[in-house]
Amino acid sequence: NAGVTQTPKFQVLKTGQSMTLQCAQDMNHEYMSWYRQDPGMGLRLIHYSVGAGITDQGEVPNGYNVSRSTTEDFPLRLLSAAPSQTSVYFCASSPGRSNSPLHFGNGTRLTVT
Amino acid sequence: DAKTTQPNSMESNEEEPVHLPCNHSTISGTDYIHWYRQLPSQGPEYVIHGLTSNVNNRMASLAIAEDRKSSTLILHRATLRDAAVYYCILGERGSGNTGKLIFGQGTTLQVKP
Repeated sequence: NAGVTQTPKFQVLKTGQSMTLQCAQDMNHEYMSWYRQDPGMGLRLIHYSVGAGITDQGEVPNGYNVSRSTTEDFPLRLLSAAPSQTSVYFCASSPGRSNSPLHFGNGTRLTVT
Repeated sequence: DAKTTQPNSMESNEEEPVHLPCNHSTISGTDYIHWYRQLPSQGPEYVIHGLTSNVNNRMASLAIAEDRKSSTLILHRATLRDAAVYYCILGERGSGNTGKLIFGQGTTLQVKP
């Protein structure tokens, strides 16, 4: 199993550009979520999904869209990038059984200039 | 969501035990206590979790106070590889909640040779 795979690893955007961060998991996990981590800070939850077709907002959803058309994939879209979205983005998944552990990807480092 | 309080940083000597404290005075009866750690430049990884009883696994032990208002993560013999940020997180019991764990700032553990 590859686990949770995030692409790209690094990305530089100009203000106003759009892009999609990809997240895929091959563990048939029901739950997936996106976090961002700013320098020296803990992780903040952006959006999460409890299954295909179901998404919900986390702590900091503004400026981001998500969809979950398949169990495997949970892309995060930035519609109009802003410098405040410069961060490291982590995707995570879990099986959905009560309190089963989260499995994290290795992150995407995004810089918006 | 219930919050946790952890020291910003701690130091330990290699091969000595480490006790990482966490206060969660507003914990509800259905909240699990989760611990994750994040090594430099990596995504967080699961360490351990528990509800009421002390828990042990190959990575660490979790000691939970009788009133559940605090807990302690115990690394029995710290190694240089254990230098990381350790997060103590409360998660609601029951399926549907593990995808949305709320991370705080964590404790940065330094291990000295």
